[in-house]
Amino acid sequence: AQRVTQPEKLLSVFKGAPVELKCNYSYSGSPELFWYVQYSRQRLQLLLRHISRESIKGFTADLNKGETSFHLKKPFAQEEDSAMYYCALTGKSSGDKLTFGTGTRLAVRP
Amino acid sequence: DAGVIQSPRHEVTEMGQEVTLRCKPISGHDYLFWYRQTMMRGLELLIYFNNNVPIDDSGMPEDRFSAKMPNASFSTLKIQPSEPRDSAVYFCASRGQGSYSGNTIYFGEGSWLTVV
Repeated sequence: AQRVTQPEKLLSVFKGAPVELKCNYSYSGSPELFWYVQYSRQRLQLLLRHISRESIKGFTADLNKGETSFHLKKPFAQEEDSAMYYCALTGKSSGDKLTFGTGTRLAVRP
Repeated sequence: DAGVIQSPRHEVTEMGQEVTLRCKPISGHDYLFWYRQTMMRGLELLIYFNNNVPIDDSGMPEDRFSAKMPNASFSTLKIQPSEPRDSAVYFCASRGQGSYSGNTIYFGEGSWLTVV
């Protein structure tokens, strides 16, 4: 069965510090991985997809198939980055479902 | 496109009452998903449709919950009778197929339900 694990419920950092939000997955086959962000009381928004290999708002994530990880990183955190971050996975063997991790709340302190 | 549209945005109802949540997916999207978000359980997939047909409803918590998609531009999630433990944010989301966005799912703003 597919699973997404985000081990940290809360990550608190100071402004300007590096950020790494961890995401590990289990999946049989080639997964497609996403990071979604949810600002306070707003909808979930796509932050980035691994297939795009893009950087959005300074965030990047690299798929490491050997470690089955898709950690989200940013070299210098900003206060406006404070939000809930969800890692998600889909793939052919999961039908069309997108499975989410439990989320990590990032709090960036001034 | 205005994105995924949900109504009502907020609802407070008494235990035992019927609750109906509505969703209009993005035009042209043929997948529609209903998720529930709570502090305790995070995001849970309740049910999803493809071309208006329910594909997987294994996440629907119990018979009190039902969902329909009578056409490509409208879906409902109904709770009857409602209970306090149903209090949550219910998100609707939609996705296209074979489009530039690939498997990206787009979410509505959610319906905040409180059952007292």
